This record gives sequence, structure tokens and C-alpha cells, in this order.
Amino acid sequence: DVVMTQSPLSLPVTLGQPASISCRSSQSLVYSDGNTFLHWFQQRAGQSPRRLIYKVSNRDSGVPDRFSGSGSGTDFTLKISRVEADDVGVYYCMQGTHWPYTFGQGTKLEIK
Amino acid sequence: EVQLVQSGGGLVQPGGSLRLSCAASEFTFSSDWVHWVRQPPGKGLAWVSRINVDGTYTAYADSVKGRFTISRDNARNTLYLQMNSLRAEDTAVYYCAGFGSGWLDSYWGQGTLVTVSS
Repeated sequence: DVVMTQSPLSLPVTLGQPASISCRSSQSLVYSDGNTFLHWFQQRAGQSPRRLIYKVSNRDSGVPDRFSGSGSGTDFTLKISRVEADDVGVYYCMQGTHWPYTFGQGTKLEIK
Repeated sequence: EVQLVQSGGGLVQPGGSLRLSCAASEFTFSSDWVHWVRQPPGKGLAWVSRINVDGTYTAYADSVKGRFTISRDNARNTLYLQMNSLRAEDTAVYYCAGFGSGWLDSYWGQGTLVTVSS
């Protein structure tokens, strides 16, 4: 299985400051058709996951432009330009290139 | 926007069976691959199973292979997960999810808790 490794696992951030989460995969996530199926999810306490970014850098509908994704191959990053109180939760990267699909361990973002 | 409503969770003894259901609000559900994902209490997310549009292809995580069966009824816009020979380590919130063609969409059920305990 493809192992997804996130860092940090805990991310205390001051309101209004930027935040960054790294995600590394144990093998390339480039699919045979050239697409890279690396996605980012946010999960608030007691809620279902919500996808923020699909295929590395595309924001889902309704996601603020404070969120951005980048990367290629095996190395990816989620950035929040200015953290707001509403951003508290756990963030997961997820690969949909190789079955079984796999998630990172999760990064818990909290307000400092 | 597709909405998924789940049912069927609960408490079951080790070795028992349970069937989860996931009903979609729109017929477009029948055009998508759909999935089951689970989350043990206080832990991260893990893929369980997936099924193609017409139900002719299914795939499972090794941890559930041979015990769980995914199926769908497109006439009823409903996805199922039949879980047999349940173990304590199957205790989790189970989510159904769909992602549209080419991963261009993302919709999730509200989750349903399955507890395997004597």
C-alpha cells in the first residue's frame, strides 16, 4: 500500500498567520493518464470529511481562496494564507492513484 | 448537490453481521463510483471498499476482504455494505462517499457508528 506521511501532526497557529502542511507519498502519485490524484480534506469535530483541494491544486466549490495546494510526484503541500477560527480541525491528504486509496495520519490544526 | 443519508449502524457482537445502507438524493449517484470509508474512534480515515457504476467491479481493503460485501441498487439510488464475521477492530464510524467522474466532485454521508462488542 502507498504510505502517506504528513507533517507536522500537530499545528498550533496564531489567528491571521499562515499555516503549511506537508504530505509525502511512498511512491509517485502520477497516474498512467498523467493526472495526479492527490486530494486534501478537512474534518471538523463531529463532522464528515470535507474535501478542500482535488488533484493537487484545484479548490473545491465554496472553499476560500486562503487555501491552496501544490506539489508533484511524491511531495505535496497544503497552505492556508491566513488562519481563521473556522479552520480548526484535522487535515488529511489522500491519494486516489493506487488501490487501496490511502490517507495520511492527519494534522490537527488548533489556534494558539 | 448530491446528499447521502446513511442508516443501519449499531451494536453487534463479535462474529455477528450488520448491513449499512446509503441512500442518495439524486439519480446522478447511479453514474458514479461510490465508496465506503471508516474511522475508528479517535483515529484517522481508512478506505474500506469501492464499487463501479453498474456494480460489476468491486474492491476491498485487505482488512475486510472476504468478510464485507459492497453492492448497489441504482434503481433505488442506494449503496450497501454487508458486514459479516465482525471483529472488535471493525468498530468505527462508517462513511459512504462519492467523487463524481474524474474526482471532480465530493459528497459524503453523515456517518454511522458500528460498535462490535460483547
